[in-house]
Amino acid sequence: DGGITQSPKYLFRKEGQNVTLSCEQNLNHDAMYWYRQDPGQGLRLIYYSQIVNDFQKGDIAEGYSVSREKKESFPLTVTSAQKNPTAFYLCASTDRANYGYTFGSGTRLTVV
Amino acid sequence: QQQVKQSPQSLIVQKGGISIINCAYENTAFDYFPWYQQFPGKGPALLIAIRPDVSEKKEGRFTISFNKSAKQFSLHIMDSQPGDSATYFCAASRDSNYQLIWGAGTKLIIKP
Repeated sequence: DGGITQSPKYLFRKEGQNVTLSCEQNLNHDAMYWYRQDPGQGLRLIYYSQIVNDFQKGDIAEGYSVSREKKESFPLTVTSAQKNPTAFYLCASTDRANYGYTFGSGTRLTVV
Repeated sequence: QQQVKQSPQSLIVQKGGISIINCAYENTAFDYFPWYQQFPGKGPALLIAIRPDVSEKKEGRFTISFNKSAKQFSLHIMDSQPGDSATYFCAASRDSNYQLIWGAGTKLIIKP
């Protein structure tokens, strides 16, 4: 079955540590997105990529970095510069033709 | 001009009743209006979507009503069930840029 796989489901980060969240899709979608969701809040765009080897900052990119070396993969690194990283992180992809987004099941990141 | 305003923030409806969530937009270039449903701990999933060439679209108990002149669209859930309890997001996008602009979300609770 086609879809988006995010891993891990839960992640714990120590202060000052960088962590990488994985996002893989087998839908052959061109565009991929990373969102952050805080409890009871909406979706805030971190980074997005419309083609391989190219990505753009979203509304809250500070303290985050991404890469897009393969069409299927769009990993997100939460750096030590992100002072409040505890949140639910969602990856999505879209097919250029219909604009509907497919989301992964999310990674819950907690700072310990 | 890029905003999509969603209301109410939260909504409680009795089982069997009609749930109505509203969204308004400013950018007349938007031409795709989806609704997403998100259960706790999961990623949002596309529920139903409409384009501005029609005023209404119905899929089962879910209906989108679209008012182009007022720049508003709404989601109606008929015969609401406890399983419909979730957070609902409206969104909008333009043909030339398939990045979705999201509403803030509505937490819907259906009381048995």
